[in-house]
Amino acid sequence: EAQVTQNPRYLITVTGKKLTVTCSQNMNHEYMSWYRQDPGLGLRQIYYSMNVEVTDKGDVPEGYKVSRKEKRNFPLILESPSPNQTSLYFCASSPSGTLMVLHFGNGTRLTVT
Amino acid sequence: DAKTTQPPSMDCAEGRAANLPCNHSTISGNEYVYWYRQIHSQGPQYIIHGLKNNETNEMASLIITEDRKSSTLILPHATLRDTAVYYCIVSPWFGNEKLTFGTGTRLTIIP
Repeated sequence: EAQVTQNPRYLITVTGKKLTVTCSQNMNHEYMSWYRQDPGLGLRQIYYSMNVEVTDKGDVPEGYKVSRKEKRNFPLILESPSPNQTSLYFCASSPSGTLMVLHFGNGTRLTVT
Repeated sequence: DAKTTQPPSMDCAEGRAANLPCNHSTISGNEYVYWYRQIHSQGPQYIIHGLKNNETNEMASLIITEDRKSSTLILPHATLRDTAVYYCIVSPWFGNEKLTFGTGTRLTIIP
């Protein structure tokens, strides 16, 4: 089944403890992206990748890192999480970066205490 | 990117057609209209997109006015599972890098 898989679905952590949220897609998509969703602020893009080894900042990249070493994986790294990074995170992929037919994962609900 | 205006909420009776309007009066010639929906806190789901012609797929129909300043998403026979937030997004076909999701329309299907 074609899908975008995020792990974990739920994560509770403490301030400053490094964490990684994984994202994998099995559709051979070139484009991948991370969004966060907060009440009243909607979905905001964190980082995106047009292809392997090509990543760029979205609207809210501060406090996050990403890597795209292989086409299928696009992990989101929080080196030193803070409470303001408590949010619902979504990974998405698209066949290309031109037509935005995005396939989203099921989300990761992160709580930083 | 062109901005969109959608009503914050709508109701529709189950089994009827749900018509969701979107205004995008500043759309430019190279911008597509995309529709997504988000059911509760699940990941958004792509529905349909179009440039200037009307489009139909297994989920919905998209009607774009001739001047492209507005569009309507039509769910022909709404079911309770269509209750969701629907996002109308305008984005250029090239160099867009992202979709900017607004606040959308919360559609409630009434039994």
